[in-house]
Formats: sequence, C-alpha cells, structure tokens
Amino acid sequence: ETGVTQTPRHLVMGMTNKKSLKCEQHLGHNAMYWYKQSAKKPLELMFVYSLEERVENNSVPSRFSPECPNSSHLFLHLHTLQPEDSALYLCASSLRGGGEQYFGPGTRLTVT
Amino acid sequence: GIQVEQSPPDLILQEGANSTLRCNFSDSVNNLQWFHQNPWGQLINLFYIPSGTKQNGRLSATTVATERYSLLYISSSQTTDSGVYFCAVPTQGGSEKLVFGKGTKLTVNP
Repeated sequence: ETGVTQTPRHLVMGMTNKKSLKCEQHLGHNAMYWYKQSAKKPLELMFVYSLEERVENNSVPSRFSPECPNSSHLFLHLHTLQPEDSALYLCASSLRGGGEQYFGPGTRLTVT
Repeated sequence: GIQVEQSPPDLILQEGANSTLRCNFSDSVNNLQWFHQNPWGQLINLFYIPSGTKQNGRLSATTVATERYSLLYISSSQTTDSGVYFCAVPTQGGSEKLVFGKGTKLTVNP
C-alpha cells in the first residue's frame, strides 16, 4: 500500500450505532488530519494530530472522538450520530509544521 | 481569519479548450496547494506552490504571493479533467491548519 488509505469507503449507520473510521499513511509523515465535506460546503478541518498529540479540535461535537495511536494510524470513533453528520470524511497526512498535505480516498458516511 | 475565494464557481468547456482558475487569499501565506477532487471524492494533489510558476504536463500554476493570488492553467482540456478544483492555504505561517476555498466545478464536454 502506498499513500493514504481509508476504510471503510462507504458506511451506513443508524443513530444509535457505534462505528469507527480508520486511516493509515505510508508516507513517513508525522501529522494527520480529519476533514469533513458536506454537500455544497467547503472542506472543514475537524482534528489535527502532530507527533501523535492532538493540537486542534475545531469545535467538533463530542459524538466524534479521534484517536491517534502512532504516527501512521488515525481513527475517528463515531457514536450517537445525527442525520446531518452524513458527509464525506477525509483523512490527510503531512510533515508537521505546515508541509504538503496528502489525502486519502475518503469514507462516505450516511446516518439513517 | 484568512479568507480564500475561488473563481469562477462553475466552468463548462468543450474538450480541447484552455482555462484559467483563480484563487485569491486575504493575507500573506508561505504555501498554497491546488487539488483536483474527482467524481469519487478523492482529492488529488496538483501543486504545492508558495510562489512562482510550476508546470506538470497540461497543467501549470502561478502564485504571486505579494499580490495574494494564484492561478491554475489547464490547457487542451480533457473529459477526465472534470471535477472540482480547490486551493488551500494555511491559517498562518507554519500552521498545519489549511483553509480551503469553495472550489471551481469544471465540466469538460466531449
């Protein structure tokens, strides 16, 4: 595998479910990101991890819980989501300090 | 915070035509990225261009940092160029936080 991978690619979940999104980067980077892209809206940064430490939480509701166990892996744990949370969730990685960001293919999430 | 504006919002071309997409930003930046989002949602890196001009095949980009804008040129467009083009800049120098424009949706018809 090369680049940034994300699983699953598609996810349908009910409002009472708990699920997790996974991201893995194979680029030797040390910063990782979660973005949300809703229909007809710009990409919104959700979380930033730099050297496995969360450095940004962009006012994201607590029903989204990130986890970064090491510099290559990033998770987004989801629970009690709302239908308006349906969106494309994109993971990215870079070298810390503002390096070029590379994106994964995204997880298209539908909350029913 | 820094504002990013892209124009035009929509662009329709015939295959083979050339086009110029613009990205304006409200404050000085030390880097700028252009991306192409394909119909499946994948964001593909096109250019990392804080200043100057770069070329990659039929695509080229120019950033004039002192005047706070960047241009993306697409020559001899192909149907596979269709999608949304985004530019993004950091909120401040050395920041990992990127601010994205709303994008230009390009449709290339055969």
